Amino acid sequence: SQTIHQWPATLVQPVGSPLSLECTVEGTSNPNLYWYRQAAGRGLQLLFYSIGIGQISSEVPQNLSASRPQDRQFILSSKKLLLSDSGFYLCAWSPDRNQPQHFGDGTRLSIL
Amino acid sequence: KNEVEQSPQNLTAQEGEFITINCSYSVGISALHWLQQHPGGGIVSLFMLSSGKKKHGRLIATINIQEKHSSLHITASHPRDSAVYICAANTNAGKSTFGDGTTLTVKP
Repeated sequence: SQTIHQWPATLVQPVGSPLSLECTVEGTSNPNLYWYRQAAGRGLQLLFYSIGIGQISSEVPQNLSASRPQDRQFILSSKKLLLSDSGFYLCAWSPDRNQPQHFGDGTRLSIL
Repeated sequence: KNEVEQSPQNLTAQEGEFITINCSYSVGISALHWLQQHPGGGIVSLFMLSSGKKKHGRLIATINIQEKHSSLHITASHPRDSAVYICAANTNAGKSTFGDGTTLTVKP
């Protein structure tokens, strides 16, 4: 069966520090991968999605970047975090864009 | 105006009540997704549908393509149904657009 792993569960970082959040999927190949952010009291916002290795689409301009170095690995990064980057980050996968997405447990990021 | 609007924003019900959460969208969609987010933040996919009706246990989702409207119904609600329910549209342009969510509290 397929599983999705996302870590860490919580992270506290100072403003200006770098960020790397990792997401891996097991039990499937060539999945669509997604990064979402949920700011406090707000809805989900799609940040990036990827349909294959090295193929990243950005949905909104921002301080973050994403990479997919391997088929089932999706990384969310920043060189310098801003206060506004605080939020709940979720990784998800689906077999294709019109199939239900399966979510990781999320990373709660606090910027101080 | 958001492309995906949910109502109500907050809903409190007594255990056993029939619950309806509504979602209206203003864009062309290829599919509509209902998600459940638990208090700890974890998200579970409930339904993805592009027409008609789907049922899973006590949950029913319907969609009316002509009216650009979907509903999520919960029969015989239970306190464990308390969560945020999120409607998401997969648009024809290839984007995912989310409603702001409906916070449901079911009291025993």
